[in-house]
Amino acid sequence: DTEVTQTPKHLVMGMTNKKSLKCEQHMGHRAMYWYKQKAKKPPELMFVYSYEKLSINESVPSRFSPECPNSSLLNLHLHALQPEDSALYLCASSHRASSRGEQYFGPGTRLTVT
Amino acid sequence: GENVEQHPSTLSVQEGDSAVIKCTYSDSASNYFPWYKQELGKRPQLIIDIRSNVGEKKDQRIAVTLNKTAKHFSLHITETQPEDSAVYFCAATASGGSYIPTFGRGTSLIVHP
Repeated sequence: DTEVTQTPKHLVMGMTNKKSLKCEQHMGHRAMYWYKQKAKKPPELMFVYSYEKLSINESVPSRFSPECPNSSLLNLHLHALQPEDSALYLCASSHRASSRGEQYFGPGTRLTVT
Repeated sequence: GENVEQHPSTLSVQEGDSAVIKCTYSDSASNYFPWYKQELGKRPQLIIDIRSNVGEKKDQRIAVTLNKTAKHFSLHITETQPEDSAVYFCAATASGGSYIPTFGRGTSLIVHP
């Protein structure tokens, strides 16, 4: 399996809702990432997990809460989001956070906050 | 930290022409340079990459060149086809610490039939 999967593909939520995004990979990668991407802009790094431990938080607001239950799964819990948080949320994985560079991206979750 | 500049922001070519996208980076410790293609509504996909011990790499119609002295690298696409239309991102990263690619701002390539 050489794929990163993400669910759901699309999500519409109100500003008072709580929802979660899920990401899964079975390539044995030990580094996993969350990115936020606006249209025609590069992905913006949010969080990095290395060996299931949070290693980087790019000053992301606390309404975004990541979780890495095991080496194959990555979640992003969402609560009290703002309309400006509407974007494509991409998960990625790589062999290790400090080694081979190739990142594999999931298809993303298109999030709309109303 | 690393800073990656990418030009042009938009590139329009006729089918069959060549396209060149250029990036410069600031951190001399960067040693891995991937290129991603992102079609509308889809994920970024790695199309080619180059490491600092190599000056050029080619894969069919695409090639990447790296000039470490000048700190710039370029993507070359020959015989462009309409399906090459997409946004292309370059990136630079340094191994030895946390692998965090720094992305360029992207180039929107339009190939006219």
